[in-house]
Amino acid sequence: AQSVTQLGSHVSVSEGALVLLRCNYSSSVPPYLFWYVQYPNQGLQLLLKYTSAATLVKGINGFEAEFKKSETSFHLTKPSAHMSDAAEYFCAVSVGGYNKLIFGAGTRLAVHP
Amino acid sequence: DTEVTQTPKHLVMGMTNKKSLKCEQHMGHRAMYWYKQKAKKPPELMFVYSYEKLSINESVPSRFSPECPNSSLLNLHLHALQPEDSALYLCASSQEGQGNEKLFFGSGTQLSVL
Repeated sequence: AQSVTQLGSHVSVSEGALVLLRCNYSSSVPPYLFWYVQYPNQGLQLLLKYTSAATLVKGINGFEAEFKKSETSFHLTKPSAHMSDAAEYFCAVSVGGYNKLIFGAGTRLAVHP
Repeated sequence: DTEVTQTPKHLVMGMTNKKSLKCEQHMGHRAMYWYKQKAKKPPELMFVYSYEKLSINESVPSRFSPECPNSSLLNLHLHALQPEDSALYLCASSQEGQGNEKLFFGSGTQLSVL
């Protein structure tokens, strides 16, 4: 069965510091992997996705993620955190042919001055 | 227009009420989804419609009844809900329903069942 595990339910960084949010996946077939962000009282917005093209994927708002098959990881990074990056971040894997997304438990990112 | 619009934004209902949640998109997408999100939890898939036909029902109780009248509209009819059904209900859409597609989410309906 396909699944994702997000390490760390809460991450706190200083403004301007590196952001690293961890995601490991489990899949018996090449996966489609996604990072979504959810701001308070809002729906989810796609940051980026991996669909077996380039292993380094660039997304919106300066985020990027690298697919590492040997480590079964798809960690999300941003070189310099902004206050506006404070939100809940979900890693997700697509299961089957109908875009059935399975989300990780989420990581709440706090950015302090 | 890249929006998914959900109404109402908030809904309070009793356990004997019947209510409906509505979702609309005008991006020409042919797949639409209902997700349920409990507080501080990830979204969980409930239903998927592809080309106006129900393609996935994640063993959702029959007190939740989805409907897709046309390719732009998705409804979720609610009847005899329980307090544990209180949650944020998110609608989403994607182009064809393929596994590599981006989902566009609405802002959700915050449902409280008393």
